[in-house]
Amino acid sequence: LAKTTQPISMDSYEGQEVNITCSHNNIATNDYITWYQQFPSQGPRFIIQGYKTKVTNEVASLFIPADRKSSTLSLPRVSLSDTAVYYCLVGRTNSNSGYALNFGKGTSLLVTP
Amino acid sequence: EPEVTQTPSHQVTQMGQEVILRCVPISNHLYFYWYRQILGQKVEFLVSFYNNEISEKSEIFDDQFSVERPDGSNFTLKIRSTKLEDSAMYFCASTPAGGLSYEQYFGPGTRLTVT
Repeated sequence: LAKTTQPISMDSYEGQEVNITCSHNNIATNDYITWYQQFPSQGPRFIIQGYKTKVTNEVASLFIPADRKSSTLSLPRVSLSDTAVYYCLVGRTNSNSGYALNFGKGTSLLVTP
Repeated sequence: EPEVTQTPSHQVTQMGQEVILRCVPISNHLYFYWYRQILGQKVEFLVSFYNNEISEKSEIFDDQFSVERPDGSNFTLKIRSTKLEDSAMYFCASTPAGGLSYEQYFGPGTRLTVT
C-alpha cells in the first residue's frame, strides 16, 4: 500500500475554499486515490475517488497531477459543518473483493466564523 | 437513503466478558467490514467478510474475535473475553457487489467501554 502524507491540521474561515494536499510518492499504476470525511463520534464517509486529472461531485473536487504523486482535495466555500477529519487513501480498487481501508491520521479541518 | 445501522450505540462491559456488536448492512450489499477506532487514534481495519467467510483480517483480529452473518440481514462481531484495550468505537461498513470497493458505507458505530 502506498504511504500517504497530509497535513495534521488546517484552519479556515467560513466561505473560503479549502485545499488539502496529500503526498503519495509510491503510488502504483493500479492505485486509485480516495478521500473520506469523519465527523466526531461518527463513522467515516466517502467523499470522492479519482485516478487522474480532475474529478468533481456535489461535495468536492479532486485534482491529480500527471505524475499522480500527490492529490488535492478542494472544498468550495466551506461552512462550519465541514469541520471534520479528512483522510486520503491510496490503493487498488477491485470490485470483486472487499478491500481493507488503511486510514492514516488524516487532516483535522477547523472552520470558524 | 439506505444506511448501515449498528446496535447498541454504547456498550459497557466488564473485563473478561463476552460482547456481541450488531450491524445491519445496507440490504443489497455483499461485502461487510468491521473497523475500530480507539479514542484519539486512527481508524483500524479488523476484518472483511464476503460470501459467508472472512476474506481478509488484520493482526488485531485474533482468536478473541469472530464474525458471523447469522441471517440475511445481521452481521455481528463477537469479542469472547474483553480486555481493557478493547475499549473503542467499532464501526461496521458494507459495499455493494460491483461497486467501488474503496467506497464503503459506514455505520454510526458502537462505543465499547471495558471496565
